[in-house]
Amino acid sequence: DAGITQSPRYKITETGRQVTLMCHQTWSHSYMFWYRQDLGHGLRLIYYSAAADITDKGEVPDGYVVSRSKTENFPLTLESATRSQTSVYFCASHSNLEGNEQFFGPGTRLTVL
Amino acid sequence: AQSVAQPEDQVNVAEGNPLTVKCTYSVSGNPYLFWYVQYPNRGLQFLLKYITGDNLVKGSYGFEAEFNKSQTSFHLKKPSALVSDSALYFCAVSSTDSWGKLQFGAGTQVVVTP
Repeated sequence: DAGITQSPRYKITETGRQVTLMCHQTWSHSYMFWYRQDLGHGLRLIYYSAAADITDKGEVPDGYVVSRSKTENFPLTLESATRSQTSVYFCASHSNLEGNEQFFGPGTRLTVL
Repeated sequence: AQSVAQPEDQVNVAEGNPLTVKCTYSVSGNPYLFWYVQYPNRGLQFLLKYITGDNLVKGSYGFEAEFNKSQTSFHLKKPSALVSDSALYFCAVSSTDSWGKLQFGAGTQVVVTP
């Protein structure tokens, strides 16, 4: 199906473990984004990518790593998970047309114990 | 730097009454303004956007928003609220200087009572 998907939808892990959240889009959008949603903060940008092999930090990048070897995939890795990374994570994408809205995935709810 | 303020954590309205959700912003460059809605356990859905042109923007589900440059506001409105409009609403801004990167407000919970 066309669209943007995220996996897993729910994940429970322990402090110190590595976790990778997957994001896949079928539109061939150039731009992809990772946000985290926390109560009282809205959505905060973690990392974004303008194209394959081009990534840059957003507002809250510490503790996260991204890669983009293919246009359609944009995985987010927590190298050593901490409790403060318990959150809902959203992936989004948009085309390279200026002013276009972003399309969001369904989110991944991550709990770090 | 860009920022968005949604001054109300929650808006309560009776079904059939007008609904307004407030948003003010600060950007360098010309703003691109967006409204998104989030239902429980769902991702964000795009409602409408202002890029340029007419200050009154119409969007999905009967929503509209008015861009006011002098007041740096982009309030979301609906003339007659429905119970199904109960959700979390986010205002977001990007600009010609930060193209593609959205800054979100903290969100406003809308509760529509029958």
